[in-house]
Amino acid sequence: EVQLVESGGGLVQPGRSLRLSCTASGFTFGDYSMRWLRQAPGKGLESVGFIRRKAEGGTTEYAASVKGRFTISRDDSKSIAYLQMNSLKTEDTAVYYCSREVLEMGVSGKWFDPWGQGTLVTVSS
Amino acid sequence: QSVLTQPPSVSGAPGQRVTISCTGSSSNIGAGYDVHWYQQLPGTAPKLLIYGTNNRPSGVPDRFSGSKSGTSASLAISGLQAEDEADYYCLSHDSSLIEYVFGTGTKVTVL
Repeated sequence: EVQLVESGGGLVQPGRSLRLSCTASGFTFGDYSMRWLRQAPGKGLESVGFIRRKAEGGTTEYAASVKGRFTISRDDSKSIAYLQMNSLKTEDTAVYYCSREVLEMGVSGKWFDPWGQGTLVTVSS
Repeated sequence: QSVLTQPPSVSGAPGQRVTISCTGSSSNIGAGYDVHWYQQLPGTAPKLLIYGTNNRPSGVPDRFSGSKSGTSASLAISGLQAEDEADYYCLSHDSSLIEYVFGTGTKVTVL
């Protein structure tokens, strides 16, 4: 069974840092690009950023709202993706999800599947 | 502000058919990018419902179907059931933003 499990969330003060982990199982982790997404309380879904698979360079892209503060990395030997969050702001309060990017022949554009159960990050003094 | 617009809410009685629209533009749906749909039950993570505009993953009932025309896409739920009460989101790629964008989300209520 393909599964993703996030961990590392919690309560943190503004300006501090937190690192989230996304542990994968049930598939060859290194074959996929991985994405982090978030959902603020009562709000919609937002992409935070993603990391390409090594075969595509392993590079990263970020949403404008987190660029320069958040860093995504991966350890293919452990099947884990990380989200390092620095200089946290109150507006970063959200449930953070990781997901696998999927692309198939005949479909224009990727989709994200599955999603982990999410981990709550609360930024508050 | 999302570039994909959905109605905030739709409702229907059990057994009825409801549709959710996802309105985009010439840089996303109108550019030919496929649309994907997610169902988010209360307190849970989003679950893939439709991929590639009209394909259902294994295990998704055939009561759910997707389509698109021009710059819009639609998700239809036929034979509405109480368990379908959830939030639904569309997803597509935008060539202007060079990013994947979600719709604003629609809450489905079963009367």
